[in-house]
Amino acid sequence: HLQLQESGPGLVKPSETLSLTCTVSGGSVSSSSYYWGWIRQPPGKELEWIGNIYYSGNTYYNPSLKSRVTISVDTSKNQFSLKLSSVTAADTAVYYCARHDSPAVTTPLDYWGQGTLVTVSS
Amino acid sequence: DIQMTQSPSSVSASVGDRVTITCRASQGISSWLAWYQQKPGKAPKLLIYAASSLQRGVPSRFSGSGSGTDFTLTISNLQPEDFATYYCQQANSFPPNFGQGTRLEIK
Repeated sequence: HLQLQESGPGLVKPSETLSLTCTVSGGSVSSSSYYWGWIRQPPGKELEWIGNIYYSGNTYYNPSLKSRVTISVDTSKNQFSLKLSSVTAADTAVYYCARHDSPAVTTPLDYWGQGTLVTVSS
Repeated sequence: DIQMTQSPSSVSASVGDRVTITCRASQGISSWLAWYQQKPGKAPKLLIYAASSLQRGVPSRFSGSGSGTDFTLTISNLQPEDFATYYCQQANSFPPNFGQGTRLEIK
């Protein structure tokens, strides 16, 4: 049974870089069958797709965040990671990692992590 | 970007009722639409993909329809566990944006 688990600091200072890791168990990020993605949700607001990555390292980022986002994959650890630079209070959100259900960039997300709240505050 | 607009923003209903939620895309997306259910403090759960295909394990009281720009999610015979927020997501083009959500509340 596939499981995803986000980890990382719950508090980040303004202007610094948010860093999160998603550890995958019961499956492999090296699979050629899926993209792996990040989604966020500010408190009380809607979901926002951040970007995703393929096992080969190909990445796609939401244009609204592209200048600040980096997603990477570590197949040896079965993990993929998110970095978001120059954060502000507007980046405060629950961050989810998830799996796209096929080897395409925009397909539905069929497995999700439980989410982790990241607060941007000094 | 394709914008997704859901209506209503919230709806109240009773156990046993039938509820329909609408999602409209700003341009045609064929049948590339997914629906998710999200309960407070939990991750979204995929219910329907390709506009009308039920994800494995999802009860048959959930159904989806539509193509092009207009889509609906129908929940028949509402159960207590169905009270949640529902989101649509277009899967046709990049970026795969979500709707703003519809909150289903108990009347």
